[in-house]
Amino acid sequence: GQQLNQSPQSMFIQEGEDVSMNCTSSSIFNTWLWYKQDPGEGPVLLIALYKAGELTSNGRLTAQFGITRKDSFLNISASIPSDVGIYFCAGRRGSNFGNEKLTFGTGTRLTIIP
Amino acid sequence: GAVVSQHPSRVICKSGTSVKIECRSLDFQATTMFWYRQFPKQSLMLMATSNEGSKATYEQGVEKDKFLINHASLTLSTLTVTSAHPEDSSFYICSALGNYGYTFGSGTRLTVV
Repeated sequence: GQQLNQSPQSMFIQEGEDVSMNCTSSSIFNTWLWYKQDPGEGPVLLIALYKAGELTSNGRLTAQFGITRKDSFLNISASIPSDVGIYFCAGRRGSNFGNEKLTFGTGTRLTIIP
Repeated sequence: GAVVSQHPSRVICKSGTSVKIECRSLDFQATTMFWYRQFPKQSLMLMATSNEGSKATYEQGVEKDKFLINHASLTLSTLTVTSAHPEDSSFYICSALGNYGYTFGSGTRLTVV
């Protein structure tokens, strides 16, 4: 099935650094979601975006819904050890919660170097 | 908040046997549940979408007779891996769609020996 392209595939940073990652698609999505997955666990929702151009924050996390509706960005400021994990974007073509499936990105693995 | 309980968290079974995985929405009703499979270092791949009281819709390439899905109530969906083989070893994750959006279970690590 289709997957969204995430970049970078992996990141190695030092604690305290800011992180940026993005997610792109060849087609339009009307809802963008960002999830974090810890090892051996299911994904947990970080931020949901419903409108093109929307910028939404959740603590140190900020995500933007691209104006073309074909991309989204996630930034993490002042990274801390618990930020380690895999970050997935997910897109949904609909703009409200019907029973529509999500399309997931390829993931960005974040590692913090001691 | 919305909570989805998935059980078991880990299971080891012999080739040729069947394994059932349960997914329960604890504090909300889920008219739709999704089942995903995730191989190491890869993303989540949707296997099927199930709506309460109706047959599941399987993604292309997923064998419906091998991966049996039952969604008998608004809070419970089950995935049965029949005649399991080592290549079925994977991390299986369910997701329930309710008023809070998509909530994921904690996953089931299946190992077929």
